[in-house]
Amino acid sequence: EADIYQTPRYLVIGTGKKITLECSQTMGHDKMYWYQQDPGMELHLIHYSYGVNSTEKGDLSSESTVSRIRTEHFPLTLESARPSHTSQYLCASRRGQAEQFFGPGTRLTVL
Amino acid sequence: GQNIDQPTEMTATEGAIVQINCTYQTSGFNGLFWYQQHAGEAPTFLSYNVLDGLEEKGRFSSFLSRSKGYSYLLLKELQMKDSASYLCAVNDYKLSFGAGTTVTVRA
Repeated sequence: EADIYQTPRYLVIGTGKKITLECSQTMGHDKMYWYQQDPGMELHLIHYSYGVNSTEKGDLSSESTVSRIRTEHFPLTLESARPSHTSQYLCASRRGQAEQFFGPGTRLTVL
Repeated sequence: GQNIDQPTEMTATEGAIVQINCTYQTSGFNGLFWYQQHAGEAPTFLSYNVLDGLEEKGRFSSFLSRSKGYSYLLLKELQMKDSASYLCAVNDYKLSFGAGTTVTVRA
C-alpha cells in the first residue's frame, strides 16, 4: 500500500488568497510530481522533482510554485488563487523507474 | 515530444472481455505502465511492461510491442467494479499519460 498523503482533501477558498497544498510520502522516493486534472479529463503534469533542491516545471504551464527541501515533502503553493485554478491536484512519487504511486488528491474550488 | 493515443470510450457486458489499445510515438522509451482510475479517485497501478510480450496478473493482462509502438490492456471476466478510466503511460524518466479510455460495464 502506498504511503503518500495530501492535505487538505477538499478546499474552498476566495479569489486572491494564498494557498499551499501539502504532499508527503514516507517511502523515501526520490522523484515526486504534481498533476492537475479536471473531472473526466486527462492528467497534466505541472511540476516535478528528482530530489532535494531540484524542481522543474511540467508540460502544462501553471502559476503555482513548488519546493523540495526534504525528500518526503513536496508542497505546492498558489500565491493568489483564481477561479481558473479550480481543479483536482494529484501528488505522486516513485523510486527510480519503478511504478508511480498517487496520493488521494486535493479538490480545490476557488470562488 | 510524446504522442499517446487511446480510444476515448468502450462499453462491454459483465463477464465479457475488453481490449484497450494504446499506440505511442515518443522520443524515449523505458517501459509502459497501465493505471486504473475510478471517477473522483487517484490512479492506481495495474501493470508494467518493459520487454515485448504479454504480462498476466489475474483477470488483467498487458501486452507490449516496442517495434510497433503498441500496447494493449486486456480485461477478462468483466465485473461492474471494472467501470473506470484506464490510462496508458509511457516511461521516459517521467511518465507521459494518455488521455485515458473510459470503460463502462453493463449488466
